[in-house]
Amino acid sequence: GESVGLHLPTLSVQEGDNSIINCAYSNSASDYFIWYKQESGKGPQFIIDIRSNMDKRQGQRVTVLLNKTVKHLSLQIAATQPGDSAVYFCAERGGADGLTFGKGTHLIIQP
Amino acid sequence: NAGVTQTPKFRILKIGQSMTLQCTQDMNHNYMYWYRQDPGMGLKLIYYSVGAGITDKGEVPNGYNVSRSTTEDFPLRLELAAPSQTSVYFCASHQGPEAFFGQGTRLTVV
Repeated sequence: GESVGLHLPTLSVQEGDNSIINCAYSNSASDYFIWYKQESGKGPQFIIDIRSNMDKRQGQRVTVLLNKTVKHLSLQIAATQPGDSAVYFCAERGGADGLTFGKGTHLIIQP
Repeated sequence: NAGVTQTPKFRILKIGQSMTLQCTQDMNHNYMYWYRQDPGMGLKLIYYSVGAGITDKGEVPNGYNVSRSTTEDFPLRLELAAPSQTSVYFCASHQGPEAFFGQGTRLTVV
């Protein structure tokens, strides 16, 4: 079965607010945890990753938090914009044998 | 760089037909992967390759075959198409944790 999953299938936020997308994982041996964004009709696009020995990593408008104690991963998007509307997947990678994806959260931006 | 290129973008197959989904990358990545994505779901790994001449099964390999004769190309073969193989197929390549995905092939088996 899947070792990575998301808590909510849909998240609706107001434009300009911050978004927080959550993910639970079960494989403690993974080296990397990664967030992908998938827009309709397109392939997943890398957003940000975090190594398993880190707690927090920041990018441009995005922050990923990793809590290994409770096996929880989150993606924070600051000042959400209409272009952020997409499905967001968390994924984990333990080696060369690909990524394990969760089901995804559909982020909807309200004007 | 074109990145990862998949062809075709769309295809309708009849049950029992065969086809090859093409994937090529120009980034000289050793690692290449084939995933399928069913509606409302995440991606599941079909097959992967860590270099030319080396392939391995992923989570859902049944009904598929792959080959990796060059670093650039990683075709996925369906020999006897079944309705359960209706899905969107994504090819990806990467060297580090960041994977680069193609635009996908939407396959319908009727």
